[in-house]
Amino acid sequence: EDKVVQSPLSLVVHEGDTVTLNCSYEVTNFRSLLWYKQEKKAPTFLFMLTSSGIEKKSGRLSSILDKKELSSILNITATQTGDSAIYLCAVVGIISGSARQLTFGSGTQLTVLP
Amino acid sequence: DAGVTQSPTHLIKTRGQQVTLRCSPISGHKSVSWYQQVLGQGPQFIFQYYEKEERGRGNFPDRFSARQFPNYSSELNVNALLLGDSALYLCASSIGVIGSNQPQHFGDGTRLSIL
Repeated sequence: EDKVVQSPLSLVVHEGDTVTLNCSYEVTNFRSLLWYKQEKKAPTFLFMLTSSGIEKKSGRLSSILDKKELSSILNITATQTGDSAIYLCAVVGIISGSARQLTFGSGTQLTVLP
Repeated sequence: DAGVTQSPTHLIKTRGQQVTLRCSPISGHKSVSWYQQVLGQGPQFIFQYYEKEERGRGNFPDRFSARQFPNYSSELNVNALLLGDSALYLCASSIGVIGSNQPQHFGDGTRLSIL
C-alpha cells in the first residue's frame, strides 16, 4: 500500500523565519510528487515534481525532490502570517495498467505568528 | 474561468440514508477525482474518472459509487451511511488522468455530517 509521511505534524514560527517541511514516500511505480496548501477548504496547487523536474521555485517557496532518498522538502523563506495553513504532500503512483491514484500525507500545520 | 464547483456545500443525513454529491470540473478538464478528508488527515482517494470511464478506485467499500456524465461533471453516491462517513468530500479536476503533466485542482468540498 502506498504511503506518504510528512513531518513535522505542526510548526509554529514568527514572521520572517525560514521553514522546511518534509515529505517521505513509499509508492509503487512513482510518477510525480505534488505540494498543496490548504487554508480552509480547497487545497490549492503549489508544485509538481517529476523525474524530469526535481526542483521548482515560485517566489518565497521552493521544493526539491530526492528520488534516491524517496523524499521531498518544501522551503518557505521570509514567512508571513498569510503562509499559515496546512501543507499537503501527495504522490502519484500507478495502481495497475492505466489506473493511477494520488496518495496524500496527513499534512503539516504551519502557524506563522506576527 | 470558474473553478471546480461542488454542491451542496453542507449536508446533514442520518445513518442508513443515501447521499449524492455533485461536481462540475473546470471547463476543458476531462478528469474528475473524488477524495474523502476527515479532520486532521490528508484527503483519501476514492475514485478517478476520465472520459466517463473509471480509471482508479481507492480502498473504499462498495457503498461508494460514482459516475461521470458526457459534460464531464460527476456524482458521488454513498449508500447506507455510517457515522464514520462524516467528512469533507473533495472533488478535483484535471485536463488528463492523474499523473499527467497537469495537476489536479480542487473544489471547496461538501461537508457531510451523519447523525
